[in-house]
Amino acid sequence: AAGVIQSPRHLIKEKRETATLKCYPIPRHDTVYWYQQGPGQDPQFLISFYEKMQSDKGSIPDRFSAQQFSDYHSELNMSSLELGDSALYFCASSLGLRDEQYFGPGTRLTVT
Amino acid sequence: AQTVTQSQPEMSVQEAETVTLSCTYDTSENNYYLFWYKQPPSRQMILVIRQEAYKQQNATENRFSVNFQKAAKSFSLKISDSQLGDTAMYFCAGLQYYGNNRLAFGKGNQVVVIP
Repeated sequence: AAGVIQSPRHLIKEKRETATLKCYPIPRHDTVYWYQQGPGQDPQFLISFYEKMQSDKGSIPDRFSAQQFSDYHSELNMSSLELGDSALYFCASSLGLRDEQYFGPGTRLTVT
Repeated sequence: AQTVTQSQPEMSVQEAETVTLSCTYDTSENNYYLFWYKQPPSRQMILVIRQEAYKQQNATENRFSVNFQKAAKSFSLKISDSQLGDTAMYFCAGLQYYGNNRLAFGKGNQVVVIP
């Protein structure tokens, strides 16, 4: 079965640079979520989109923005990167807002 | 608001034995979903099992089963016939039916299966 695809899988950036993370949901899934997991931490919710509209917003820094496109893929844009942004970024998708969320393999971002 | 609490230390279990993980979920909502996710060393987040709060019957998925006690806000996961591939961090998570649609995770429990 098709799974959530995230790219890139690994990303190394320097402080103050920008990064773009991409997420391709499971086919027919219309809802996308972004989570951030720091080392030794549980995943923290950042933002979600349902049918291309923002559906919920968590502890996402103002330096970050995201959107969902007409083909339902989503991109997380991160600017003015800080050392503390180093983390594993997960994208998850679901069919509707109340269904199980299936996670992608994550993008490991390292900021040096 | 929703709060998920997992407080057990790292747990070791012999292969083929049974291990139970505890979780409590606190919310003012009556309708919600509870999940257990598994995160092996690969760091992939894998959905293990789901329970709807309105269902009285406990969910079961092969060797994984839950014991949901709504009044006690308790949601435990039992892994039967443990296998080496079960070695992972296990996260309990809650999702409110109304309001926001974010998963709230507990801090996780590390399970190590010993051959």
